[in-house]
Amino acid sequence: DTEVTQTPKHLVMGMTNKKSLKCEQHMGHRAMYWYKQKAKKPPELMFVYSYEKLSINESVPSRFSPECPNSSLLNLHLHALQPEDSALYLCASSQSTNEKLFFGSGTQLSVL
Amino acid sequence: QKEVEQNSGPLSVPEGAIASLNCTYSDRGSQSFFWYRQYSGKSPELIMSIYSNGDKEDGRFTAQLNKASQYVSLLIRDSQPSDSATYLCAVLYNFNKFYFGSGTKLNVKP
Repeated sequence: DTEVTQTPKHLVMGMTNKKSLKCEQHMGHRAMYWYKQKAKKPPELMFVYSYEKLSINESVPSRFSPECPNSSLLNLHLHALQPEDSALYLCASSQSTNEKLFFGSGTQLSVL
Repeated sequence: QKEVEQNSGPLSVPEGAIASLNCTYSDRGSQSFFWYRQYSGKSPELIMSIYSNGDKEDGRFTAQLNKASQYVSLLIRDSQPSDSATYLCAVLYNFNKFYFGSGTKLNVKP
């Protein structure tokens, strides 16, 4: 199994909603990541978890809250988002933080 | 902020030709380099990784690295229309942060 699975694939939410993005991998990878990608732009790093601990937060607003319940799962909790937060949210994993990344298929998020 | 520079393109090549994609990076401390392919509306897919100076070949793809010039490239031989995509260069810094270039859009014309 070489997949990183993300759900949902599409999400539309209002600015007062609370929603969560989910990511799962069964490759035994110990590092997991959240990236944000706007149209025609490169992926931008948001968070890095290493061995289930948050190791990097790229000054992401608190309306984004990551969670790593175990080594296979990664969540991103969303609350009070803004329309400019609309983007493709990508989860990735790697064997360790200095190994190549494997991306999930992403969640296309629209904030109305 | 570490910089990874790519020509945005589009780069147009005829089917069967060699496509050459280039990337420069700003930090001499970079250790690892990767090329990802991204189709429109899809997630990035790893094509090649390269860690030491020289060439690395995998099928129709060849990655080239020159750390002295801070330059990494990707050659695609016998280009196919299915190779039409955006190619992202990624550079690993400090053993834990991947920075991506803005990507080069490749069009392979039948």
